[in-house]
Amino acid sequence: ELKVEQNPLFLSMQEEKNYTIYCNYSTTSDRLYWYRQDPGKSLESLFVLLSNGAVKQEGRLMASLDTKARLSTLHITAAVHDLSATYFCAVGPRDDKIIFGKGTRLHILP
Amino acid sequence: ETGVTQTPRHLVMGMTNKKSLKCEQHLGHNAMYWYKQSAKKPLELMFVYSLEERVENNSVPSRFSPECPNSSHLFLHLHTLQPEDSALYLCASSQERDSSEFFGPGTRLTVL
Repeated sequence: ELKVEQNPLFLSMQEEKNYTIYCNYSTTSDRLYWYRQDPGKSLESLFVLLSNGAVKQEGRLMASLDTKARLSTLHITAAVHDLSATYFCAVGPRDDKIIFGKGTRLHILP
Repeated sequence: ETGVTQTPRHLVMGMTNKKSLKCEQHLGHNAMYWYKQSAKKPLELMFVYSLEERVENNSVPSRFSPECPNSSHLFLHLHTLQPEDSALYLCASSQERDSSEFFGPGTRLTVL
């Protein structure tokens, strides 16, 4: 059974610092997604990663996928307060169920 | 109206009621999705439709019945729900399966 583990689950960081959120998963998968959710709001799709070595960047966020290590990272560069949110990863093989991580609640202090 | 809309935004229903959630997208997308977000469990992808055909059904109980009459509309028919089905139900669409999704605001469902 596929298990998806995000860490850390909570992260409080200063503005202008860099940090990385990790998404580990337990079985082979070829689909990985990152989402953002602001408090009380709906989800926002950030990245779709479909191949080993895939790297995507949008603004201060960069996501990568290493299917051999079963690991994806979401890297935040020079954090700003607007990036405070909960970030979810989701993983699933093409012919099976997608499983979400528990989410990482990110709080960026001004 | 643009984007992904969901109605109703809030719904309270008894366990014996039958109700439907509606999702509409005005983006010309070919794939639509239902997600469930409850307080005590991780997010769940419930159903995926691509070109009006159901392509994923992630072990969802039969008391949830999706319907996709055309590429712009997606329904979730609910009957004999349980209190643990209380959650935020999110609809999303994307140009094709595995491309970036656009989410609706969600329907907050409470089952009494």
